[in-house]
Amino acid sequence: QKEVEQNSGPLSVPEGAIASLNCTYSDRGSQSFFWYRQYSGKSPELIMFIYSNGDKEDGRFTAQLNKASQYVSLLIRDSQPSDSATYLCAVNRESSASKIIFGSGTRLSIRP
Amino acid sequence: DAMVIQNPRYQVTQFGKPVTLSCSQTLNHNVMYWYQQKSSQAPKLLFHYYDKDFNNEADTPDNFQSRRPNTSFCFLDIRSPGLGDAAMYLCATSRAGGGGYGYTFGSGTRLTVV
Repeated sequence: QKEVEQNSGPLSVPEGAIASLNCTYSDRGSQSFFWYRQYSGKSPELIMFIYSNGDKEDGRFTAQLNKASQYVSLLIRDSQPSDSATYLCAVNRESSASKIIFGSGTRLSIRP
Repeated sequence: DAMVIQNPRYQVTQFGKPVTLSCSQTLNHNVMYWYQQKSSQAPKLLFHYYDKDFNNEADTPDNFQSRRPNTSFCFLDIRSPGLGDAAMYLCATSRAGGGGYGYTFGSGTRLTVV
């Protein structure tokens, strides 16, 4: 079992709709959770982080965390073509606080 | 602007010829990381430095080495590159306390082995 699992996609969403990206993790000791956006050929860019159960909103982005279910998600409202990218979920474990473990990403495509 | 800079952006090396990738940061972050990312795969942590303390991942091949001569610079040395080492190499930094704050990534170096 991978430590961080994501559906590879592609996930195709019409422009203006809500894109929903999901991630599960295996280590219950995970403390911090991140969403990175990665355009093709570029490095990852941090867009959201969440530490506590519940929702965290930042502009068009909402991160949701459910530690009991070991589940984290990212919602993108009013999706734009510029949101087309790969979204990497990442977690930080208490047992190795310096390190972040990444999922392999979900490729999101926003169709006009 | 404070940032993480990787050089070069693209590197072509010959099979078996040693190559060095560099990373510098102006963020004054304590922790520096090297990740390897192959196409459609998760970034894979190779090693990281917490200040001067070197932390190697158990599955990082001996072919990969790293140096951190000072806070600002970190180097990745590949002693004998193989075709399987072709990948994007990502340098990242974080504050002390490490991963809990997330990383700042450099722009990456795309390595091609011919």
